[in-house]
Amino acid sequence: DQQVKQNSPSLSVQEGRISILNCDYTNSMFDYFLWYKKYPAEGPTFLISISSIKDKNEDGRFTVFLNKSAKHLSLHIVPSQPGDSAVYFCAASVPTGANNLFFGTGTRLTVIP
Amino acid sequence: DAEITQSPRHKITETGRQVTLACHQTWNHNNMFWYRQDLGHGLRLIHYSYGVQDTNKGEVSDGYSVSRSNTEDLPLTLESAASSQTSVYFCASSGTSGGEQYFGPGTRLTVT
Repeated sequence: DQQVKQNSPSLSVQEGRISILNCDYTNSMFDYFLWYKKYPAEGPTFLISISSIKDKNEDGRFTVFLNKSAKHLSLHIVPSQPGDSAVYFCAASVPTGANNLFFGTGTRLTVIP
Repeated sequence: DAEITQSPRHKITETGRQVTLACHQTWNHNNMFWYRQDLGHGLRLIHYSYGVQDTNKGEVSDGYSVSRSNTEDLPLTLESAASSQTSVYFCASSGTSGGEQYFGPGTRLTVT
């Protein structure tokens, strides 16, 4: 059963506007959440993360919000740029000392110039 | 610069053949992982290792094996390739517990 879900397979946004990518999870033990970005024919690259003790983390144009009660996180990209067009995966891990990540199915973002 | 590499980048093989995909990292990371990416499933964990001589099964380990004889390498072996194993395979490594993983460029495997 998918413990991390990205219910929107694709999203299109105009350049300069905000992109909001959503992710839901079912395992209340998850305590660390990450977003990865993937271009075609490349491996995923780490984008931004958030610990469960926070509800927001910001890095330049990228902000991740965590709502633990709703088991929901979102990635905001402002302003969106054509180079942001990629597949975005959210991932989560549990505090067992291990480093296993549980990934969502990904959302393909297209930023239209 | 430290990196993680995978070879080959593309492989076509026949059903029943044994195939080994290589993964090499120069980060000196203890943790290494193998994933497969399929449409509609995202990235699914096949096997992982927390150090030399340590290997563990992931979510979709049937038909796959790994061995860890040194820090840098974690080869993935398909014992008898099946068409259901046609996929893109990614290797990753990490140095910290719960921290981000660094991914290789991937190997596209086609089993005919």
